[in-house]
Amino acid sequence: EPEVTQTPSHQVTQMGQEVILRCVPISNHLYFYWYRQILGQKVEFLVSFYNNEISEKSEIFDDQFSVERPDGSNFTLKIRSTKLEDSAMYFCASSEQENTEAFFGQGTRLTVV
Amino acid sequence: GENVEQHPSTLSVQEGDSAVIKCTYSDSASNYFPWYKQELGKGSQLIIDIRSNVGEKKDQRIAVTLNKTAKHFSLHITETQPEDSAVYFCAASNKFYFGSGTKLNVKP
Repeated sequence: EPEVTQTPSHQVTQMGQEVILRCVPISNHLYFYWYRQILGQKVEFLVSFYNNEISEKSEIFDDQFSVERPDGSNFTLKIRSTKLEDSAMYFCASSEQENTEAFFGQGTRLTVV
Repeated sequence: GENVEQHPSTLSVQEGDSAVIKCTYSDSASNYFPWYKQELGKGSQLIIDIRSNVGEKKDQRIAVTLNKTAKHFSLHITETQPEDSAVYFCAASNKFYFGSGTKLNVKP
């Protein structure tokens, strides 16, 4: 069964450092998403990506965040200068079409110290 | 934007009983409502979804009902089993605005 894979599973970084979270969406999917879940809170939408550009982003997705699909298979989320409050689980998802089932990855736990 | 409210935050039931989780949404334009199950240490997995052109959908022990007029939808799990224990999230619209989650505990 096809699945979305995310690496690493856990990332620890110093405050102020840049991190890149990686995702490999399902190969025939066209829509890609990043979400985050701070411990004990709800899953929050960050950004959606279609046709090699951001289609929508939330208030959380400020100038410190960027996404890229560098090689047609990977989908990355970059945080330029991490803050303590960026500590969360980050989930990547992909879907075949806009309003169809989204398949989620296992998540990357980001810990900023 | 969309606002999704989910209740209850925790739910304990005896094995074999039914469990019901309710969500409300604010954007009448939302037309896709998935439910996700999140087990400890794993990503969310879709368990059932419904579109705004139907009122109810069932898949074995799991059913979802949608009341578009009232803007609420519910997840029903019958004959619960210990392996149903997890956190359940509802979501609305293609941007997947999530509810706050319900931690379901099925006691054997």
